[in-house]
Amino acid sequence: DTEVTQTPKHLVMGMTNKKSLKCEQHMGHRAMYWYKQKAKKPPELMFVYSYEKLSINESVPSRFSPECPNSSLLNLHLHALQPEDSALYLCASSHLMDTQYFGPGTRLTVL
Amino acid sequence: GDSVTQMEGPVTLSEEAFLTINCTYTATGYPSLFWYVQYPGEGLQLLLKATKADDKGSNKGFEATYRKETTSFHLEKGSVQVSDSAVYFCALIKAAGNKLTFGGGTRVLVKP
Repeated sequence: DTEVTQTPKHLVMGMTNKKSLKCEQHMGHRAMYWYKQKAKKPPELMFVYSYEKLSINESVPSRFSPECPNSSLLNLHLHALQPEDSALYLCASSHLMDTQYFGPGTRLTVL
Repeated sequence: GDSVTQMEGPVTLSEEAFLTINCTYTATGYPSLFWYVQYPGEGLQLLLKATKADDKGSNKGFEATYRKETTSFHLEKGSVQVSDSAVYFCALIKAAGNKLTFGGGTRVLVKP
């Protein structure tokens, strides 16, 4: 089973809202990732967690706050976003330094 | 730094035609190479991979061979179907690394 699940599938939020994206995997992977994908572009890496610790932050604005509460779950907390943050947010997981498996994504619209 | 270059699309084909998408890379050492596919409105799915020179990855009728001498990993399929319409991404990951480097993606449209 190579399934990564993400909720919600779609999210519309205002610039003053606080919301969270959730990601879950049960493949025993110890690395989890958040990517942002704009239309007609490849995914851009945002954060990497290894063994539940943040190992890479690609200079992402502080209005995006990741959290890894356990080895199966990854959250992305959103606060005071801008319209330009509207995008598809993808979660992925892998064994360390191995093939990454992606979830279906959350399509975020910021009004 | 590392980079992946793909042919620009869109690539428009008729059903049962032969598909080739070129991919070349620049990286030090011995990266692993991947093709991911993204269907409309969906996330990325791993299509195939190769981890060392001369390895051939294959899946669902698609093939790609890791060519170190030409730093290439071209994707091929002998007879495409309408359901193969998607965006295809070539990517690499360095040995002992966990950052995927993507190409720009190639949109493929297969017409009946």
